[in-house]
Amino acid sequence: EAGVTQSPTHLIKTRGQQATLRCSPISGHTSVYWYQQALGLGLQFLLWYDEGEERNRGNFPPRFSGRQFPNYSSELNVNALELEDSALYLCASSLTGTDTQYFGPGTRLTVL
Amino acid sequence: GENVEQHPSTLSVQEGDSAVIKCTYSDSASNYFPWYKQELGKRPQLIIDIRSNVGEKKDQRIAVTLNKTAKHFSLHITETQPEDSAVYFCAASGDGSARQLTFGSGTQLTVLP
Repeated sequence: EAGVTQSPTHLIKTRGQQATLRCSPISGHTSVYWYQQALGLGLQFLLWYDEGEERNRGNFPPRFSGRQFPNYSSELNVNALELEDSALYLCASSLTGTDTQYFGPGTRLTVL
Repeated sequence: GENVEQHPSTLSVQEGDSAVIKCTYSDSASNYFPWYKQELGKRPQLIIDIRSNVGEKKDQRIAVTLNKTAKHFSLHITETQPEDSAVYFCAASGDGSARQLTFGSGTQLTVLP
């Protein structure tokens, strides 16, 4: 069974640009979570999508947004990039209504 | 919202010794407590989890204990091996709209050969 996949592996942008990150959950999983892992700050919850709907969002500005597609894959968009957005962005998936989350390998976003 | 504190931030042990990492949480509604291991450059991997209706859970050399009254839970690794060296994160989550994980700040475990 394939695990959670994310693309791209690395992404380099300049300040003010937009970034789009993609996540494919484990087959059969309908919930997708996004987390930011910035250096020295641990993992911070960004967004949660389930059955195509946004269920909750963390304490991040509105320029962090996303969506979930009918096949349950998900996209994270970061607008007006700032230097402090440089981080590893991790996606996790789970079965709807269950606790266990499995992580993807992450996308390393660097903002210059 | 939930707040999870994790200690220690770094831990060095001799191969074969035990390692203990402790976490406390603030929200009494949290009922799911996983532990993840993250090796350098790799994704976090779930190593063990416990739910609030259980006080202890074991899986070979790894065990987790939960004290709901005190709102703390701990990871115990026995007979440590060099391949146990990694960053370990505890986390907590609840039900309904609170299924997202709130993570502790991580513990860098180094097992010295």
